[in-house]
Amino acid sequence: DQQVKQNSPSLSVQEGRISILNCDYTNSMFDYFLWYKKYPAEGPTFLISISSIKDKNEDGRFTVFLNKSAKHLSLHIVPSQPGDSAVYFCAASEGDKVIFGPGTSLSVIP
Amino acid sequence: NAGVTQTPKFRVLKTGQSMTLLCAQDMNHEYMYWYRQDPGMGLRLIHYSVGEGTTAKGEVPDGYNVSRLKKQNFLLGLESAAPSQTSVYFCASSLAGVYNSPLHFGNGTRLTVT
Repeated sequence: DQQVKQNSPSLSVQEGRISILNCDYTNSMFDYFLWYKKYPAEGPTFLISISSIKDKNEDGRFTVFLNKSAKHLSLHIVPSQPGDSAVYFCAASEGDKVIFGPGTSLSVIP
Repeated sequence: NAGVTQTPKFRVLKTGQSMTLLCAQDMNHEYMYWYRQDPGMGLRLIHYSVGEGTTAKGEVPDGYNVSRLKKQNFLLGLESAAPSQTSVYFCASSLAGVYNSPLHFGNGTRLTVT
């Protein structure tokens, strides 16, 4: 059973608008969360992370929100750009293990 | 500075054959990980290592073995390949765990077992 879930396999957004990618987790022992971006034929690259003691972390156009009580986090991209089109993976850490979700494919339409 | 390098990039095996995937990092990272990526399943952790000489099981360790004899290398072995092991395999490394530094990934090895 997946401990990290991304229930939307795909998402399409107009250029300039906000993209919101969602992630849910089941393991309450997870204490650190990350978002990765992946282009075809490449390895995932790190985007942004958040500790469980925070509820928001911002880096340029990317903001991650964490709601511990709901076991939910989201990644906001504002404004969305065509180069943001990729697969986005949510990941969660418990100790040394890092568990990834199934990914959401984002398409930003010019 | 090459980062994380995976060898080979592509491989086709017949059922029952064995092979070893090599992951090498030149960043002096302590932690290394092997993941497999399958459609709809995302990245699943196979095995990981928190330092030279150590290994631990991840989410889907069955059918795989690993070794970390040198700090810079993490080997993933398939003793008797099965079609269910057809996948893209990614290696990653981290300086000292994600709390201190994120995972850096290689570009993957695409393995097909017929």
